[in-house]
Amino acid sequence: AAGVIQSPRHLIKEKRETATLKCYPIPRHDTVYWYQQGPGQDPQFLISFYEKMQSDKGSIPDRFSAQQFSDYHSELNMSSLELGDSALYFCASSLRQGSYGYTFGSGTRLTVV
Amino acid sequence: AQKVTQAQTEISVVEKEDVTLDCVYETRDTTYYLFWYKQPPSGELVFLIRRNSFDEQNEISGRYSWNFQKSTSSFNFTITASQVVDSAVYFCALSEGYTGTASKLTFGTGTRLQVTL
Repeated sequence: AAGVIQSPRHLIKEKRETATLKCYPIPRHDTVYWYQQGPGQDPQFLISFYEKMQSDKGSIPDRFSAQQFSDYHSELNMSSLELGDSALYFCASSLRQGSYGYTFGSGTRLTVV
Repeated sequence: AQKVTQAQTEISVVEKEDVTLDCVYETRDTTYYLFWYKQPPSGELVFLIRRNSFDEQNEISGRYSWNFQKSTSSFNFTITASQVVDSAVYFCALSEGYTGTASKLTFGTGTRLQVTL
């Protein structure tokens, strides 16, 4: 069965650079969530989209932005990267805003040097 | 606001021992969902179980079992006859019922389980 696809799997960037993370949800899933997991931490909710509109916002820095496109894939754009942005970024998708559970992608490991 | 507490930061057991991971949650909603995820060293989040707030029936899946008690706001996870492959970080998580917005997951801080031979 198709899963949530995240790309790239690994990314190394320098401070002050920009990064773009992509997420392709399970077909027919209309909701996408982004989470950030720092080293030794639990995943923290960043932002979610339902039917291409922002649905909820968590502790997402102003330097980050995200959107969901017409084909339901989502991109997380991160600018002016800082060392503290180094983390595992998960995307999850669901149907009807989580009514039937969530499927997580394998994550993108971002390292800022 | 919802909150999930996993008081056990790290547990070490010897293979074949039973181990219980505790999870206590807080929410003002009457409709909510509870989850357990496993995160092995490779980093992915592996879904284990989802339980809604109206279903207090305990569940068993192979060596895994879950005990949901609304009276104590707990959703504990037991691994019977633990194996080395069970070594991972386990997260308990909570999502609210339908609120008109995408219901995000709130995770506990996780319990690292180390199973040794």
